[in-house]
Amino acid sequence: AQKVTQAQTEISVVEKEDVTLDCVYETRDTTYYLFWYKQPPSGELVFLIRRNSFDEQNEISGRYSWNFQKSTSSFNFTITASQVVDSAVYFCALKINNNDMRFGAGTRLTVKP
Amino acid sequence: ETGVTQTPRHLVMGMTNKKSLKCEQHLGHNAMYWYKQSAKKPLELMFVYSLEERVENNSVPSRFSPECPNSSHLFLHLHTLQPEDSALYLCASSPRLGLKAGELFFGEGSRLTVL
Repeated sequence: AQKVTQAQTEISVVEKEDVTLDCVYETRDTTYYLFWYKQPPSGELVFLIRRNSFDEQNEISGRYSWNFQKSTSSFNFTITASQVVDSAVYFCALKINNNDMRFGAGTRLTVKP
Repeated sequence: ETGVTQTPRHLVMGMTNKKSLKCEQHLGHNAMYWYKQSAKKPLELMFVYSLEERVENNSVPSRFSPECPNSSHLFLHLHTLQPEDSALYLCASSPRLGLKAGELFFGEGSRLTVL
């Protein structure tokens, strides 16, 4: 079965706190891609990162960082020094074939001033 | 212009109405998608088009009818919907199909309410 689990439905933090959003995936395929998207209140999903299954190198982009661990089938996302503008719903997704991108249920992050 | 534009942004319709959702992408992409986003559920893929040909129909009820007249436009025709069809309908595009095709580019969605 191909599945993405985001166990945290909602997270609330105070500005400047660090926060980690968890993502656990299931697949029997050896070749796949993992994604994170941000959905602000306006509605559109904004692409954040793509990682293929053969590249376990962690990535940092400004305040954002991603930790990919195949051993635990996890692709976690950390926001350092969170800001109010980071408030959004964040989706983790798994792509295992041409057309099928499976999304998790999303984590709603609220950053309070 | 934004990459993927959806109209209308909000739609309220009765169960006997016929309406359509429109999606236009200005990115020169060859693949377009319809997704349904219901509250507290993962996004559900509904339809996939590549170069105006439908390549995927994920067991979607026939009351949803897609149309792709060219690679820049995608429609979702709605007829005799049920209240449980109320959701955010998201259009997306990608340069092409394929595992390595890259990320999807999404529109802002059409919020549909069926009374």
